[in-house]
Amino acid sequence: DIQMTQSPASLSASVGETVTITCGASENIYGALNWYQRKQGKSPQLLIYGATNLADGMSSRFSGSGSGRQYSLKISSLHPDDVATYYCQNVLSTPWTFGGGTKLEIK
Amino acid sequence: EVKLVESGGGLVQPGGSLRLSCATSGFTFTDYYMSWVRQPPGKALEWLGFIRNKANGYTTEYSASVKGRFTISRDNSQSILYLQMNTLRAEDSATYYCAREDGNWYFDVWGAGTTVTVSS
Repeated sequence: DIQMTQSPASLSASVGETVTITCGASENIYGALNWYQRKQGKSPQLLIYGATNLADGMSSRFSGSGSGRQYSLKISSLHPDDVATYYCQNVLSTPWTFGGGTKLEIK
Repeated sequence: EVKLVESGGGLVQPGGSLRLSCATSGFTFTDYYMSWVRQPPGKALEWLGFIRNKANGYTTEYSASVKGRFTISRDNSQSILYLQMNTLRAEDSATYYCAREDGNWYFDVWGAGTTVTVSS
């Protein structure tokens, strides 16, 4: 199975800052990587698919990058509404493993 | 409007069984892969498995943690997805979500979830 490792596990930043979350795969996943945002009390929501593609309706302040085994999610100009836990997901092969999550808080 | 609505969660004793349902509407059910994902309290999301669409013969794949205990099925006439869970353990306690796979290997629609608690 492909293991997905996210860092940091938690993050606190100020409104207006730019933050980056990283996700490492145990092997090359060739860009088969999604990011989801899960706000408290709500279901997960697709944020980025195919490593770099912004999902419909999501803010352009979110961007994804990476290749091979290393991927990143960048959130620019942090808003209070961005408070959530973010998960990466491997979809190269089953099992479609998720990372452990990154909990983002606002200072 | 595309909707997924899970039901069937509750309290069950260790070793017991439970069947979850996911009622869907607003799209052609047979065209899509459907997955189950769970999230134990305070832990990460865990993909449990999926059932393929009509074009791919409705076959299934499972994670190792549930293979042999859980079974995913679908009633295509009623557009309902099921998760049959047997030999339940305390570590199966979680919120269970059904999710639609878009055809491009991502979950574009999720249900609100149903909570399963395994405890004596």
